[in-house]
Amino acid sequence: AQSVSQHNHHVILSEAASLELGCNYSYGGTVNLFWYVQYPGQHLQLLLKYFSGDPLVKGIKGFEAEFIKSKFSFNLRKPSVQWSDTAEYFCAATGYSSASKIIFGSGTRLSIRP
Amino acid sequence: NAGVTQTPKFQVLKTGQSMTLQCAQDMNHEYMSWYRQDPGMGLRLIHYSVGAGITDQGEVPNGYNVSRSTTEDFPLRLLSAAPSQTSVYFCASRGDSKNTEAFFGQGTRLTVV
Repeated sequence: AQSVSQHNHHVILSEAASLELGCNYSYGGTVNLFWYVQYPGQHLQLLLKYFSGDPLVKGIKGFEAEFIKSKFSFNLRKPSVQWSDTAEYFCAATGYSSASKIIFGSGTRLSIRP
Repeated sequence: NAGVTQTPKFQVLKTGQSMTLQCAQDMNHEYMSWYRQDPGMGLRLIHYSVGAGITDQGEVPNGYNVSRSTTEDFPLRLLSAAPSQTSVYFCASRGDSKNTEAFFGQGTRLTVV
């Protein structure tokens, strides 16, 4: 079955710390991967996406993610977080054979201490 | 540029009542979906549509109906509301190319008492 797993439910960091949020997927065939962010009280917004090509993807606000096919992973990273990065982060995937459906992970809540 | 518009933003229902959550998009997207968001469970797919007249069930379809009479609109109907349907509901749309992301509405916070 298609699935996306995020194992970090709540991450607490201090400002300027480095961030890595884990994401693993289970899909047959070619997969498209996304990271979305949801700031408090708001809807989901796209941070970055991977479809093909360079496995290191750069997104908005200094975020990047690396697609590692052998590990079925798509971890999100940021070298130095800011208080404004406090939000919930969702990894998501869709397969070429099921492009109409995007499956989301359970989300990781990120809290940044000023 | 409106994008994806959901109404209402907030709703309180009594158990057993029915209602329709509205979703409209102005991007001529073929794919539309409804998700519910619950703490610790992420977004779960309720129903989705690949075009006008075509709908299918997602992970958690029970208690919900959808229809897609036009490309723009994808309403979600709660037939007989239950407290377990208390949640935040998001509508999303995306183009039918494989290399596109979803755009989300602002969400509807529904409470069933």
